[in-house]
Amino acid sequence: TQLLEQSPQFLSIQEGENLTVYCNSSSVFSSLQWYRQEPGEGPVLLVTVVTGGEVKKLKRLTFQFGDARKDSSLHITAAQPGDTGLYLCAGDLLDSNYQLIWGAGTKLIIKP
Amino acid sequence: EAEVAQSPRYKITEKSQAVAFWCDPISGHATLYWYRQILGQGPELLVQFQDESVVDDSQLPKDRFSAERLKGVDSTLKIQPAELGDSAMYLCASSLSSLSPLHFGNGTRLTVT
Repeated sequence: TQLLEQSPQFLSIQEGENLTVYCNSSSVFSSLQWYRQEPGEGPVLLVTVVTGGEVKKLKRLTFQFGDARKDSSLHITAAQPGDTGLYLCAGDLLDSNYQLIWGAGTKLIIKP
Repeated sequence: EAEVAQSPRYKITEKSQAVAFWCDPISGHATLYWYRQILGQGPELLVQFQDESVVDDSQLPKDRFSAERLKGVDSTLKIQPAELGDSAMYLCASSLSSLSPLHFGNGTRLTVT
């Protein structure tokens, strides 16, 4: 059983559309990180959220950490082909000795 | 910007053979991780080092996998003997500390035939 559930597993949309992907858990996290991974490369950190209810923006990407620090979402506005990739969330479980728990990822394809 | 270096980029080996991967973390990063990632899935931690010490190898199949970071800098991950199910991407990551975000290398794609 995945401690961090990401949904959807796969999303294919047209350029210019908006989308939201989710990272959910029944566990509480000290912090949560979002990474993007392109084929043949390692994941690259996009953002870290640490406070319940926190919202962070990175150009067209908006990240939100749930009030209870059990879930997070990533919203992309006006998606572009360059946003294509595997989006991974990873959480630092509360009282876990800083063990990072990874979701299985959302594979996103933006068609031109 | 400093990067985590991994080699080789690709490795094809026959089952029952030995294979080794090398990782050079970003200078000054005390924490080093080896992950295994199956295509389209999230990374699975194999081993975590703090300097030269192993702090978590609970998911490392110790009958065939070994990892070392002798001087607390670069690291080697070895598989002997390789099995078909070991085919995956092996990613190395480093961070300033276990509290810091991870910086990943571009991985070694292993194919066992």
